[in-house]
Amino acid sequence: GESVGLHLPTLSVQEGDNSIINCAYSNSASDYFIWYKQESGKGPQFIIDIRSNMDKRQGQRVTVLLNKTVKHLSLQIAATQPGDSAVYFCAERVGNQFYFGTGTSLTVIP
Amino acid sequence: DAGVIQSPRHEVTEMGQEVTLRCKPISGHDYLFWYRQTMMRGLELLIYFNNNVPIDDSGMPEDRFSAKMPNASFSTLKIQPSEPRDSAVYFCASSLNGGTQYFGPGTRLLVL
Repeated sequence: GESVGLHLPTLSVQEGDNSIINCAYSNSASDYFIWYKQESGKGPQFIIDIRSNMDKRQGQRVTVLLNKTVKHLSLQIAATQPGDSAVYFCAERVGNQFYFGTGTSLTVIP
Repeated sequence: DAGVIQSPRHEVTEMGQEVTLRCKPISGHDYLFWYRQTMMRGLELLIYFNNNVPIDDSGMPEDRFSAKMPNASFSTLKIQPSEPRDSAVYFCASSLNGGTQYFGPGTRLLVL
């Protein structure tokens, strides 16, 4: 039968290429944003964060871009590796609460 | 640092039984969160505590769910009686001063 559930956006990339995962948020009062990575059977794992007074932050192989004008957040992964295959969530903080997106499933093709 | 610890990792029970999930937050963290993740609804916040006090339990599905935090290093989420629709992965997370949340490995619950 037909499966029912969240239809995660999916992204497939070749190993070695760069990946860009996007997220739209809704609350202009959000002051802090996080990207999480969730591998199958594991809990979400912190990747990188950014505060609302910044528009770019770089980590090791990852960069987060924040465009507050259009309420858009992106995660760029350089030289994507098979170990990067996972579901990626963005989270926005409003007050003391975090709100999570539904996630994007990234598959890296060797 | 051991990170957030959850137990059990897997739980299979029959409808009507009581289920207790346990969480040990990262030492020194003052916020603790309980989430539920399903294919249907994604990641949902159930309840969170600050300094052992429940702050927002609006995500708790119904009275069958209850959570406690008797001290800074331990929290429980209890479901009584359990139902098949409670089957999900339950995550505990902790944070310091409301900052980045660090998640535990989750408890995979199956109610038959």
